[in-house]
Amino acid sequence: DIQLTQSPSFLSASVGDRVTITCRASQVISSYLAWFQQESGKAPKLLIYAASTLQSGVPSRFSGSGSETEFTLTIDSLRPEDFATYYCQQSHSYPLTFGGGTKVEIK
Amino acid sequence: EVQLVESGGGLVQPGGSLRLSCATSGFTFSDHYMDWVRQAPGKGLEWVGRSRKYAESYSTEYAASVKGRFSISRDDSKNSLYLQMNSLKSEDTAVYYCVYISGPRTGYYYMDVWGKGTTVTVSS
Repeated sequence: DIQLTQSPSFLSASVGDRVTITCRASQVISSYLAWFQQESGKAPKLLIYAASTLQSGVPSRFSGSGSETEFTLTIDSLRPEDFATYYCQQSHSYPLTFGGGTKVEIK
Repeated sequence: EVQLVESGGGLVQPGGSLRLSCATSGFTFSDHYMDWVRQAPGKGLEWVGRSRKYAESYSTEYAASVKGRFSISRDDSKNSLYLQMNSLKSEDTAVYYCVYISGPRTGYYYMDVWGKGTTVTVSS
């Protein structure tokens, strides 16, 4: 199975900060990576797929990059509604797997 | 607009069975892959399984943790997806999400729209 390791697992930041979350895959997954945002008590929401393609309706302050085994999610100018947990997920091969999550909290 | 509504969750004893349903609307059901994803209390997301589209015979894939115990099926006449869960264990306690899969778009399938989830509690 492909393991996804997210870092950090917890992040404290202020409104307006630039935030970067990393996701490392245990083997090459090309660009078969997506990022999700989950607010407390809600269902996850797709932000980015194919490593860097912004889902329709997602603000442009979110961006994704990377390929093979190293990926990043960047949030430019953090807004109050961005405080949530973020997950990466690979669709290269079964079983599909998720990273452990990164919780972004207000400093 | 794609809409997904899960139902069927509840309290069940270890070793028991439960069938979850996902009512869908807003898209051609038979043309899309569908997934089940779960989240144990206070934990991360875990993929449970996938049903491919009609053109691929609705073939399925499962996580190792549920293979042989859980089964995904569909009813095209009702635009509904199901998750039959047998031999339930305490570690199956979770919120179960039904997920609409988009694609292939430039070769990628991705978990596009999620339902609100239904809660399953396995406890005596």
